[in-house]
Amino acid sequence: DSGVTQTPKHLITATGQRVTLRCSPRSGDLSVYWYQQSLDQGLQFLIQYYNGEERAKGNILERFSAQQFPDLHSELNLSSLELGDSALYFCASSAPGTSGGAVTDTQYFGPGTRLTVL
Amino acid sequence: AQTVTQSQPEMSVQEAETVTLSCTYDTSENNYYLFWYKQPPSRQMILVIRQEAYKQQNATENRFSVNFQKAAKSFSLKISDSQLGDTAMYFCAFFDYRNSGYALNFGKGTSLLVTP
Repeated sequence: DSGVTQTPKHLITATGQRVTLRCSPRSGDLSVYWYQQSLDQGLQFLIQYYNGEERAKGNILERFSAQQFPDLHSELNLSSLELGDSALYFCASSAPGTSGGAVTDTQYFGPGTRLTVL
Repeated sequence: AQTVTQSQPEMSVQEAETVTLSCTYDTSENNYYLFWYKQPPSRQMILVIRQEAYKQQNATENRFSVNFQKAAKSFSLKISDSQLGDTAMYFCAFFDYRNSGYALNFGKGTSLLVTP
């Protein structure tokens, strides 16, 4: 158990709908990352939040958005869903730190949310 | 662009044997971190081992060790005394700060099957 929790575990919805995925980071971690894992694209970074603020963006579609709340949990909102959005969505968290001049930020992953769009 | 390449899509090893999974990466940075993650059939992403680029000593975690060749940009994972529970997809990942914050760049993975 990594200490990162994600809900729901599974989500089945229809095209055009909107869903919200929730993530609670490990206790003390300030950073939350969202990744998408699909068969054709592999594991792709979507977005990172640090202590409530957006830190970095990856290959996140405009139909997707995220936020991190004051209690540090994060939500990923997916709207106007398409069949191709079916994937496993992971949340990861890390604690900031440096060692020898390099950033440490080891990321620990939650169990993922399996999204199926029909 | 920062890239991570795993050239072996599938590998098989017998129980108790040793297997090595390959990974190469491309970066212009000097300080960075490399990781191996394991994804068993449960789909959970589990950290196996990490390597700091500034350390010459190869990282070791029980039966898992790495061969880090910084000049060659190579980062292979050795699994000794393979166990059935090691059957999983293994992903090599590179910590890419310059181009995308602190996001991990993942390779496409190597599917490892441990047979009795």
